[in-house]
Amino acid sequence: NAGVTQTPKFRILKIGQSMTLQCAQDMNHNYMYWYRQDPGMGLKLIYYSVGAGITDKGEVPNGYNVSRSTTEDFPLRLELAAPSQTSVYFCASRARVGDSNQPQHFGDGTRLSIL
Amino acid sequence: GDSVTQMEGPVTLSEEAFLTINCTYTATGYPSLFWYVQYPGEGLQLLLKATKADDKGSNKGFEATYRKETTSFHLEKGSVQVSDSAVYFCALNNFNKFYFGSGTKLNVKP
Repeated sequence: NAGVTQTPKFRILKIGQSMTLQCAQDMNHNYMYWYRQDPGMGLKLIYYSVGAGITDKGEVPNGYNVSRSTTEDFPLRLELAAPSQTSVYFCASRARVGDSNQPQHFGDGTRLSIL
Repeated sequence: GDSVTQMEGPVTLSEEAFLTINCTYTATGYPSLFWYVQYPGEGLQLLLKATKADDKGSNKGFEATYRKETTSFHLEKGSVQVSDSAVYFCALNNFNKFYFGSGTKLNVKP
């Protein structure tokens, strides 16, 4: 029962490097989300998707890009890593059925440090 | 815009004490409300939810009532255990976007 799977769990990047954080879900959920969680803070929405081929910006999209070519996968791309992007990144998904009362299911997070 | 405000922590209690974590929200329309719990090194897990005014969500001894008149969704538990130590997040869902509070850390001492 995998749920939402994020890879890698940890990563250290140098300033200016790029990388892709992977997220996959096996629950056939339409909606997927990317959040960042800074130390002692709540979650900030980066991007979200309501289905394959559809993505939209959240509260803090600058410096990130996403794509949604399949229902299962929702990768997050950092093109030019900056120290301000040091954070824990969480991917989440939820079903469309019943819409607003459906909770989100979270992955275990990716801890990213940029030095 | 929509937002969630919850009490700052940490909250430190002795085992079997009564817990209240306050949460208030600002939103247009009729959002759904949630409490999530996060254990160290893990993602958030749904604790309970309420989808309309006066609904009470409950799970594992925790309860919260959706109060539209006071725009609140306070989390309560009658008798906390050491295993309840975690960070608790209040959240709302409005038009497919989720908004989270900043989290309240709960420490329960034996």
